[in-house]
Amino acid sequence: GQSLEQPSEVTAVEGAIVQINCTYQTSGFYGLSWYQQHDGGAPTFLSYNALDGLEETGRFSSFLSRSDSYGYLLLQELQMKDSASYFCAVRWTGGFKTIFGAGTRLFVKA
Amino acid sequence: DGGITQSPKYLFRKEGQNVTLSCEQNLNHDAMYWYRQDPGQGLRLIYYSQIVNDFQKGDIAEGYSVSREKKESFPLTVTSAQKNPTAFYLCASSIGSVEETQYFGPGTRLLVL
Repeated sequence: GQSLEQPSEVTAVEGAIVQINCTYQTSGFYGLSWYQQHDGGAPTFLSYNALDGLEETGRFSSFLSRSDSYGYLLLQELQMKDSASYFCAVRWTGGFKTIFGAGTRLFVKA
Repeated sequence: DGGITQSPKYLFRKEGQNVTLSCEQNLNHDAMYWYRQDPGQGLRLIYYSQIVNDFQKGDIAEGYSVSREKKESFPLTVTSAQKNPTAFYLCASSIGSVEETQYFGPGTRLLVL
């Protein structure tokens, strides 16, 4: 089967750096994506890793290690507006569907 | 502006009633998806469609039906067979390639009276 595991909650202070981990069990996938969702809103795309290594997009970076079945999202210079839920997702090679993790709720404190 | 629209924003269903949620996109995307999100939970795939006139069941298709008669439209019907329909429903689309980013609509919140 396929599954992704994320911590349910993470708390950090404004200006800090936080890492949200995602471990997965899947027989094969094309890449690891990250989405952000504010309360009551729609998920929005943040980052995608097709290959192992680090992808950087402004304050957000994402990392993938296929050999370790592991990835993470790194948020730097945290702002209050970063308080949201973050989901990792994989596109499974066995079909066309995307599998989402349960999400990590990030609380940013002043 | 290109994007995905969903309507209505809120929908109330009576017992035994079928209701249809609208999803339209003008991004010229081939693939479209329906997800269900329960409070504090992740997204679960209901149905997806790779091209017009074709769709497949996702992980929780029971009690739901879809159609894909036009590229731009992918309506979802919540039937009376779905006994616990209260949830946030999200429609998404993607270009259709394997390296796809999904673009989500604003969602429809379905409540049972």
